[in-house]
Amino acid sequence: AQTVTQSQPEMSVQEAETVTLSCTYDTSESNYYLFWYKQPPSRQMILVIRQEAYKQQNATENRFSVNFQKAAKSFSLKISDSQLGDTAMYFCAFILYYGGATNKLIFGTGTLLAVQP
Amino acid sequence: GAVVSQHPSRVICKSGTSVKIECRSLDFQATTMFWYRQFPKKSLMLMATSNEGSKATYEQGVEKDKFLINHASLTLSTLTVTSAHPEDSSFYICSARGEGLVHNEQFFGPGTRLTVL
Repeated sequence: AQTVTQSQPEMSVQEAETVTLSCTYDTSESNYYLFWYKQPPSRQMILVIRQEAYKQQNATENRFSVNFQKAAKSFSLKISDSQLGDTAMYFCAFILYYGGATNKLIFGTGTLLAVQP
Repeated sequence: GAVVSQHPSRVICKSGTSVKIECRSLDFQATTMFWYRQFPKKSLMLMATSNEGSKATYEQGVEKDKFLINHASLTLSTLTVTSAHPEDSSFYICSARGEGLVHNEQFFGPGTRLTVL
């Protein structure tokens, strides 16, 4: 069975600074996707970034980038130039590449990030 | 990106009544829909997975007779909380994935806050 672990329940960062959120996962499979989702106070889940396991290059989306270490089963999210709008709960998630009709996202417990002015 | 809507966004009901929540994919055909429950500052807990035209697959510990899920068309799934009680009060989120979209990517609805008095 797959598991996702986020060891930082809460984090705080000053506006314009950089922060890194940690995520580790466990699986015996080699083909999968990893995601970071953001859930702001509105509670709408928003996809921040996606990484395919077969790609060695780390994904980036503007101020968001990941450090994907497949052998270590680590998938951290770096937020550069933090903005007040980045304040949210961040969830790391895993899904098998091929998992059938009921293939499902496995979520971590989340990290609550507060960006301070 | 693909859009998923939920209705209602908030509902308050009396104990013992049934409540129906709708989840619609607005611009794609949702072959698979998921229903989650979320408590404050907690992660999403998957309740069930439904594929269009077939019975939902419930997660362990989720009462099938209490949480009725129907996925009658490729754009609509419904969750009915039967004989609701105060302990059913929670935030319910649906998500969907479908043909023609990025492989394994799920799109989330804005959620429904259920309060049972």
